[in-house]
Amino acid sequence: DTEVTQTPKHLVMGMTNKKSLKCEQHMGHRAMYWYKQKAKKPPELMFVYSYEKLSINESVPSRFSPECPNSSLLNLHLHALQPEDSALYLCASSHPGQGDNEQFFGPGTRLTVL
Amino acid sequence: AQKITQTQPGMFVQEKEAVTLDCTYDTSDQSYGLFWYKQPSSGEMIFLIYQGSYDEQNATEGRYSLNFQKARKSANLVISASQLGDSAMYFCAMREGMNRDDKIIFGKGTRLHILP
Repeated sequence: DTEVTQTPKHLVMGMTNKKSLKCEQHMGHRAMYWYKQKAKKPPELMFVYSYEKLSINESVPSRFSPECPNSSLLNLHLHALQPEDSALYLCASSHPGQGDNEQFFGPGTRLTVL
Repeated sequence: AQKITQTQPGMFVQEKEAVTLDCTYDTSDQSYGLFWYKQPSSGEMIFLIYQGSYDEQNATEGRYSLNFQKARKSANLVISASQLGDSAMYFCAMREGMNRDDKIIFGKGTRLHILP
């Protein structure tokens, strides 16, 4: 299995809703990432988990709450989002440690906040 | 200052021609990695090719090759014999340091259009 899966593919939510994005991989990768991508812009890193521990938080607002319950699963909990949070949210995974290796990306979740 | 610069917002290329997508980078690290990703309209980021800063030979993967000029801090992507399916957004990216879980910084991208 060489893929990263993300659910849901599309999500529409109101500003008072609570929702979660899910990311899963079964490649044995121990580093997982959340990116946010606005239209016609490059992906921007939000969070990095390494060995199930949060290693990088790029000063993301607390209305985004990541969780890594195990080595295969990464969640992004959403609460009280703003319309400007509408974007494509991409999950990625890779082998941590030294050396060359790419990040494998999932297909993304297109989020619309009304 | 931008870490990754892609100076071509858009390119139009005739099918079967070769195309070069430009990328320059800025880092003071000795160890770093350079990547190219393709993003079709569907949204998924597809890894194309990787070049490590200590790699002496240019990386190649099928129709993709990376023209690495370290002194010029340049890492251009060359696609040979372009195909209609190559139409997509292409991002150059850099990881400073050699830890695989270090952050990757993306350039602004080049949108490539392959014409039939």
